[in-house]
Amino acid sequence: GAVVSQHPSRVICKSGTSVKIECRSLDFQATTMFWYRQFPKKSLMLMATSNEGSKATYEQGVEKDKFLINHASLTLSTLTVTSAHPEDSSFYICSASTEVGTEAFFGQGTRLTVV
Amino acid sequence: SQQGEEDPQALSIQEGENATMNCSYKTSINNLQWYRQNSGRGLVHLILIRSNEREKHSGRLRVTLDTSKKSSSLLITASRAADTASYFCATNNPTDSWGKLQFGAGTQVVVTP
Repeated sequence: GAVVSQHPSRVICKSGTSVKIECRSLDFQATTMFWYRQFPKKSLMLMATSNEGSKATYEQGVEKDKFLINHASLTLSTLTVTSAHPEDSSFYICSASTEVGTEAFFGQGTRLTVV
Repeated sequence: SQQGEEDPQALSIQEGENATMNCSYKTSINNLQWYRQNSGRGLVHLILIRSNEREKHSGRLRVTLDTSKKSSSLLITASRAADTASYFCATNNPTDSWGKLQFGAGTQVVVTP
């Protein structure tokens, strides 16, 4: 199947700093990617839809100034957690589909810990 | 927002037994997908079933879909210790982009040797 690579897999940062997470589609082009957040022992919550060449679409309740999304190419979307606080600690995971009607492929996820 | 509920929330079985989990959703769908997640890891796709399909098989997995009841079930036959994981259903809705998924709450499955 198609491969989506996410980096880094783990990151620890200090409160107040910003962290960038990358999501790459390795063997296909993705005009649309998705970012999810997962709290411990909980399900995945969709944060935003990342659109290549245009602004991301955020779900209700997600702060767009806090979670900056950039989709500058057909194979790369980035999520930047700005001015991180301990409550931003979570598992972040991205996904992309190769074409209409097919399964979504997920990255390995990024465990963010803000201290 | 969460699309629906999964039940049970947790399931503990012995190797060789079958595991069944259910997923309910609230809106119309294009397709419903089942994923597995090992602790702290990414998601592994298991099966995609389209809204016009009623049953699909893949190896030891069997998925059913009842659109009239807005529900789906995942059956794992002859379970193995390696099947220990969390299982999530996810739906893609007609009004959403392809690939955009709404996840259920998940079922945590523990298979003991």
